[in-house]
Amino acid sequence: NAGVTQTPKFQVLKTGQSMTLQCAQDMNHEYMSWYRQDPGMGLRLIHYSVGAGITDQGEVPNGYNVSRSTTEDFPLRLLSAAPSQTSVYFCASTGGIGRTDTQYFGPGTRLTVL
Amino acid sequence: AQSVTQPDIHITVSEGASLELRCNYSYGATPYLFWYVQSPGQGLQLLLKYFSGDTLVQGIKGFEAEFKRSQSSLNLSKPSVHWSDAAEYFCAVGDNYGQNFVFGPGTRLSVLP
Repeated sequence: NAGVTQTPKFQVLKTGQSMTLQCAQDMNHEYMSWYRQDPGMGLRLIHYSVGAGITDQGEVPNGYNVSRSTTEDFPLRLLSAAPSQTSVYFCASTGGIGRTDTQYFGPGTRLTVL
Repeated sequence: AQSVTQPDIHITVSEGASLELRCNYSYGATPYLFWYVQSPGQGLQLLLKYFSGDTLVQGIKGFEAEFKRSQSSLNLSKPSVHWSDAAEYFCAVGDNYGQNFVFGPGTRLSVLP
């Protein structure tokens, strides 16, 4: 199993550009989520999905869109990038909608918006 | 809504010394608590988790944590720190459905030789 994979690892955008951060897992996990990590603020939940076709907002959803067409993939879209979106983005997945399940994290995508 | 505080932003210990990292949470129901470690440039790795039962939880890499309901805390400890333990440590609380994880701001651990 590759676990949770994220691409790209690094990305530089100009203000106003759009892009999609890719996330995939091969563990057949139902629950997937996106976080952003900023210095001194820990990880903050952007969006999450409890299964294919179902998504919901987390703590900081503004400026981001998600979709979940398959169990494996959960892309995060930035429609018009802003410098405030400069951050490290982590995707995670969990085996089920269960409080005993562990979240597995991808290696992260470091995004810089100029 | 749940919240997590980690009072120490940065801790420095000597190699071989003991370590305690503090975590306090706020949550209206039974908490589901986690400790993660993040090495520089890496993703997060789960050290241990607490849901119920024995208040002393064993994790990987020689870490353990003690849950104290009266103090709303799950403090992480290790009896003898190794240089490879230098990293950032995050405490997190999950809700009753495991759907919304809230992370603390993290504690950065430095280890002196």
